[in-house]
Amino acid sequence: GAGVSQSPRYKVAKRGQDVALRCDPISGHVSLFWYQQALGQGPEFLTYFQNEAQLDKSGLPSDRFFAERPEGSVSTLKIQRTQQEDSAVYLCASSGWTSVGTGELFFGEGSRLTVL
Amino acid sequence: KNEVEQSPQNLTAQEEEFITINCSYSVGISALHWLQQHPGGGIVSLFMLSSGKKKHGRLIATINIQEKHSSLHITASHPRDSAVYICAVLSGGSNYKLTFGKGTLLTVNP
Repeated sequence: GAGVSQSPRYKVAKRGQDVALRCDPISGHVSLFWYQQALGQGPEFLTYFQNEAQLDKSGLPSDRFFAERPEGSVSTLKIQRTQQEDSAVYLCASSGWTSVGTGELFFGEGSRLTVL
Repeated sequence: KNEVEQSPQNLTAQEEEFITINCSYSVGISALHWLQQHPGGGIVSLFMLSSGKKKHGRLIATINIQEKHSSLHITASHPRDSAVYICAVLSGGSNYKLTFGKGTLLTVNP
């Protein structure tokens, strides 16, 4: 596709359920980012992939959060045993550059997770 | 104190007004992004700058590195400009980790 695609757009989970959020970046983009955006707040960095390598996962809130990008294209963010505080919009972005100081970032529409 | 502070938090304007949104940051940076987020979540990159000034259509972004301050201006504002505008900085020697402001909600009335 022409842009970054995320699915599902909306997910409602019961507390304790596992969820998986998918990001399909722009073809050929080397860098992929996941961000978490709480209501009324700016996005916060979760993790960064350069191709298939996860170079930084320092923003993941707990060990219930796991992200992968096994073939250097599609990425999945998995949240195990969801809690109410996990409710947020999860944004994926990609770039054709390894530095966000060099080139433009392209964002997906986000996946809105609501944990009941 | 957040590393990135935006002002105002909310801004309501009449169509055709000149708009200014401010972003101040407390750390040394290598680049600053201005982003636009419409209701529903999608974010669009407006500008990336590390010095000086950039212009695209009715949008102008400026940055003063010494004063640690950037502004986004919208000339001849239009209701379709209504959105959240977010400032994000690249700092701390990182070339990939952005720190975001909370955003400024702009509403332009016809």
